[in-house]
Amino acid sequence: SQQGEEDPQALSIQEGENATMNCSYKTSINNLQWYRQNSGRGLVHLILIRSNEREKHSGRLRVTLDTSKKSSSLLITASRAADTASYFCATDAIPTDSWGKLQFGAGTQVVVTP
Amino acid sequence: GAVVSQHPSWVICKSGTSVKIECRSLDFQATTMFWYRQFPKQSLMLMATSNEGSKATYEQGVEKDKFLINHASLTLSTLTVTSAHPEDSSFYICSALTLAKNIQYFGAGTRLSVL
Repeated sequence: SQQGEEDPQALSIQEGENATMNCSYKTSINNLQWYRQNSGRGLVHLILIRSNEREKHSGRLRVTLDTSKKSSSLLITASRAADTASYFCATDAIPTDSWGKLQFGAGTQVVVTP
Repeated sequence: GAVVSQHPSWVICKSGTSVKIECRSLDFQATTMFWYRQFPKQSLMLMATSNEGSKATYEQGVEKDKFLINHASLTLSTLTVTSAHPEDSSFYICSALTLAKNIQYFGAGTRLSVL
């Protein structure tokens, strides 16, 4: 079953604007990860944030984690048309029956128009 | 980053036939791989966890006799959809887990169409 819920479900922005999407989860976690999926393709790992971290950056990506609220956000700054994709958060819930097993959120579909 | 190859990328088959999908980790060893199914515009649904040298662990509601998983080496896991039917048509994605980083690296997916 899916652990996370993401909002918005869809986001349409223009190039140069920032895109923010949120993810909520239900159980305790070791870490939270964000993935990107281009249409009809596999997932690409973007960033991992551990439960004892509050914020992490990678290039134009900024991820925050609030374990008290069981939520995370992904910010893409200065978006480009190539950022058009679906973005998923994924958590490894505690307890788990399998190391490394992830539960994925519903995803946010981002469209960046030139 | 680590590379995972999934083959074939697209397959069309007749109802009643079996289809095998391969998932290879090209530049690292993966004792654990995962198989997912994804319906259009939906999230990934975990089907099973594939462990090298042991039986796969299936998620609730996934028929193990329908979806056969074999993980015979540290770099290869296969998913065989047996006696495929049109309702098995879907996008299947595999991933391989890097223990050092606790990150899953994904294959490009296989689109299965059963006629």
